[in-house]
Amino acid sequence: QKEVEQDPGPLSVPEGAIVSLNCTYSNSAFQYFMWYRQYSRKGPELLMYTYSSGNKEDGRFTAQVDKSSKYISLFIRDSQPSDSATYLCAMSFYGNNRLAFGKGNQVVVIP
Amino acid sequence: EAGVAQSPRYKIIEKRQSVAFWCNPISGHATLYWYQQILGQGPKLLIQFQNNGVVDDSQLPKDRFSAERLKGVDSTLKIQPAKLEDSAVYLCASRSPGQGVFEQYFGPGTRLTVT
Repeated sequence: QKEVEQDPGPLSVPEGAIVSLNCTYSNSAFQYFMWYRQYSRKGPELLMYTYSSGNKEDGRFTAQVDKSSKYISLFIRDSQPSDSATYLCAMSFYGNNRLAFGKGNQVVVIP
Repeated sequence: EAGVAQSPRYKIIEKRQSVAFWCNPISGHATLYWYQQILGQGPKLLIQFQNNGVVDDSQLPKDRFSAERLKGVDSTLKIQPAKLEDSAVYLCASRSPGQGVFEQYFGPGTRLTVT
């Protein structure tokens, strides 16, 4: 079983829709939960991070962490064509040098 | 603030040839990472440097991959000899002291195709 599972299936939504992405994980030691956005031909950029369980909101983006279920989610409200990118979840724990990435979800927002 | 620079952006080589990638991190970033991102996968850490010392190279295929960071600034990653399965994007990232491990700034990557 991989540490981080993310269904890589592409997702196409109309502009203005809510995008819902999620990842599951197996390592209960993970404490930091991140979402990176990667545009085509670019490196990933940190979108949001959450420490431990709970919700975090930043503009149109909401990250949720449910440690009891080992499940994290990212919601994008009022999606825009500029949100078209691959979204990678990643996890780590205190004192660890390494990020464990999911496979990424390609999101296409259709105008 | 200039971002992480990488070159070349694209490289096509035949199997068994050698190739080298270069990375210039953000000024002042002591920590430097090299990742391998195969198409459809998340980045996989190959090696991490703290200044010019290696912190983690446990996932680096040392029989063919090598990396160095002389003087604690620029870094090069070399593959010798390349195999077909090395086709991937090689990402360099850097991080400032005191920042969380997740606060890495990635370069645009070098896309390697091995034929």
